Amino acid sequence: KAGVTQTPRYLIKTRGQQVTLSCSPISGHRSVSWYQQTPGQGLQFLFEYFSETQRNKGNFPGRFSGRQFSNSRSEMNVSTLELGDSALYLCASSLEVAGLAKNIQYFGAGTRLSVL
Amino acid sequence: DAKTTQPTSMDCAEGRAANLPCNHSTISGNEYVYWYRQIHSQGPQYIIHGLKNNETNEMASLIITEDRKSSTLILPHATLRDTAVYYCIVRVGRGNEKLTFGTGTRLTIIP
Repeated sequence: KAGVTQTPRYLIKTRGQQVTLSCSPISGHRSVSWYQQTPGQGLQFLFEYFSETQRNKGNFPGRFSGRQFSNSRSEMNVSTLELGDSALYLCASSLEVAGLAKNIQYFGAGTRLSVL
Repeated sequence: DAKTTQPTSMDCAEGRAANLPCNHSTISGNEYVYWYRQIHSQGPQYIIHGLKNNETNEMASLIITEDRKSSTLILPHATLRDTAVYYCIVRVGRGNEKLTFGTGTRLTIIP
């Protein structure tokens, strides 16, 4: 079974531009979460989607947004890029099962975004 | 989510068992202990999780103390490929529940 796939792997943008990152979850997984990783702040939660609905959101400005499609694929968008948005963006998917602990999040390799 | 405390760094000789401790003294009764690791610039990799009993899989063993206030991840025969940052996380495990990563333990396997 294929793992979580994120595209592109690397991206270079300039300040003020916008960017869209894509995530294809593991087949059958319906929950997709996004995280940002920077050297200064570590791994931080951005948001989580299930059945095309955002269920949870981290503490990031409105420039960061996301969506999920009916096939569970997800995209995140960052508008008006700032230098501080340079980071590794990680997507994780989980199999939504009623009950506990089955909701293990499996991560993709990430998209490394550099803002110049 | 309950907070966890881990040593900043550890070294282990190749071929020996690596024992990574984690303190989670405020863990709630319905919270699980999860371990992930992140090899440089890759996405975090799930290793193992447990509630109160010791757990073992093909990657590692997880030992949770009886009072559940601490746990130890054991890599039985460490190899150079086990060099990574290891994260201990506690969470209930609901679908919409985020993972809260601390700073983790940087494990270096010495040849």
